[in-house]
Amino acid sequence: EDKVVQSPLSLVVHEGDTVTLNCSYEVTNFRSLLWYKQEKKAPTFLFMLTSSGIEKKSGRLSSILDKKELFSILNITATQTGDSAVYLCAVSKGEGAQKLVFGQGTRLTINP
Amino acid sequence: DSGVTQTPKHLITATGQRVTLRCSPRSGDLSVYWYQQSLDQGLQFLIQYYNGEERAKGNILERFSAQQFPDLHSELNLSSLELGDSALYFCASRNWRTGELFFGEGSRLTVL
Repeated sequence: EDKVVQSPLSLVVHEGDTVTLNCSYEVTNFRSLLWYKQEKKAPTFLFMLTSSGIEKKSGRLSSILDKKELFSILNITATQTGDSAVYLCAVSKGEGAQKLVFGQGTRLTINP
Repeated sequence: DSGVTQTPKHLITATGQRVTLRCSPRSGDLSVYWYQQSLDQGLQFLIQYYNGEERAKGNILERFSAQQFPDLHSELNLSSLELGDSALYFCASRNWRTGELFFGEGSRLTVL
C-alpha cells in the first residue's frame, strides 16, 4: 500500500525561527514529489521535485528530494506569522503520473 | 484564484440523501482530480479523469460516483449519505507541462 508520512504532525515556533518539515514515502512507480501550503481552504502549490539532490528555492522556502532514502524536506527560514498553515506533501505515481497520494500534513504555527 | 471552480461552496443535507458536487477545471486543463478532506485529515484521493475518461481510482466508496463531461466539467455524486461523509471535497486540475495541481476552493458537505 502506498504511504506518504509527514513529520512532525504539528509544530509551534517563534517568528524568526527556521523550521524543517519532513516527508517520507513508500510508493510504487514514483514520478515526483510536490509540496503544498494550505491556509484556510484550497492548497496552493509550492514546489515539485523530480530529481534527487537538486534544491528548489522560492524566497525563504526551499526543498530537496532524496530518492535513495525516499524522503524530502521543506525548509522555511526566518519564519513569519503568515507562514502559519498546514503543509502537505504529495507523491505523484503511476503511468503518466496520474495518481497523487497526499500525506496527512504538518500544521505549522508561528507565534509572534 | 486558481481558475478551478467548484459549486456549491457549502451544502447541508440529511443522512440517506444524495448530492452532486460540480467542478470546472482551469481553461486548457483536461484532467480533474477529486479529493476528500475530513476534519484534521489529509487529502484522500478519490478519483481522476482525463479528457472524459477515468484514469485513476483511489479509496472511493461504491456509494460515490463521478464523471467528466465533454465540456470537461466534472460531477461527483454522493448517495445514501452517512454522517461520516461530512467533509471538504476538493476538485483539482493539473497542468501536465509543469505538473502543478491547481485546487478549487472546495465544497463543504455537512450531513446531519
